[in-house]
Amino acid sequence: EPEVTQTPSHQVTQMGQEVILRCVPISNHLYFYWYRQILGQKVEFLVSFYNNEISEKSEIFDDQFSVERPDGSNFTLKIRSTKLEDSAMYFCASGGQGGPYEQYFGPGTRLTVT
Amino acid sequence: AQSVTQLGSHVSVSEGALVLLRCNYSSSVPPYLFWYVQYPNQGLQLLLKYTSAATLVKGINGFEAEFKKSETSFHLTKPSAHMSDAAEYFCAVSENTGNQFYFGTGTSLTVIP
Repeated sequence: EPEVTQTPSHQVTQMGQEVILRCVPISNHLYFYWYRQILGQKVEFLVSFYNNEISEKSEIFDDQFSVERPDGSNFTLKIRSTKLEDSAMYFCASGGQGGPYEQYFGPGTRLTVT
Repeated sequence: AQSVTQLGSHVSVSEGALVLLRCNYSSSVPPYLFWYVQYPNQGLQLLLKYTSAATLVKGINGFEAEFKKSETSFHLTKPSAHMSDAAEYFCAVSENTGNQFYFGTGTSLTVIP
């Protein structure tokens, strides 16, 4: 069964460093998303991406964040200068083809900023 | 604005007992509603979804949920709990295809042998 994959599973970085989180969505899906889950809190939407552009973003998704679909298969989230409060589990999701309503989530990348 | 409320951050049931996890939503338009399950150190797995068809929705692993518009609820049930059902359960709402999901704070289900 097709699934969303994410790498790395765990990333440790120092405050102020740039990180890139990578996702491979399910092929032929049209919508792509990033969410985050701070430990013990609910899953929060960051950004959605459709037709090679951002379609929606939350107030969390400020200028420090960017997304890219560089090669038609990968979907990346870049944090330019990490802060301690960026420590969280980051989930990638895709959807919109075959099952247009649901979103399929990857296993997540745990980001730890020290 | 949309929001999801899950009553009870922790629920404990005995093995074989009924599971009831509560979810209430607010939405300005007819919503799409979802339940996801998260096992430790894993991602979110879709249990079931409501997309304006039948109000009683059956999902995987014996779970089902009923959409009640008058109560703005989408509670998740399972007649008989198994040990393997122990996990975190999230209710989510969306207004349209492709739109963001709004998640509840989650309910941690413990199954007592």
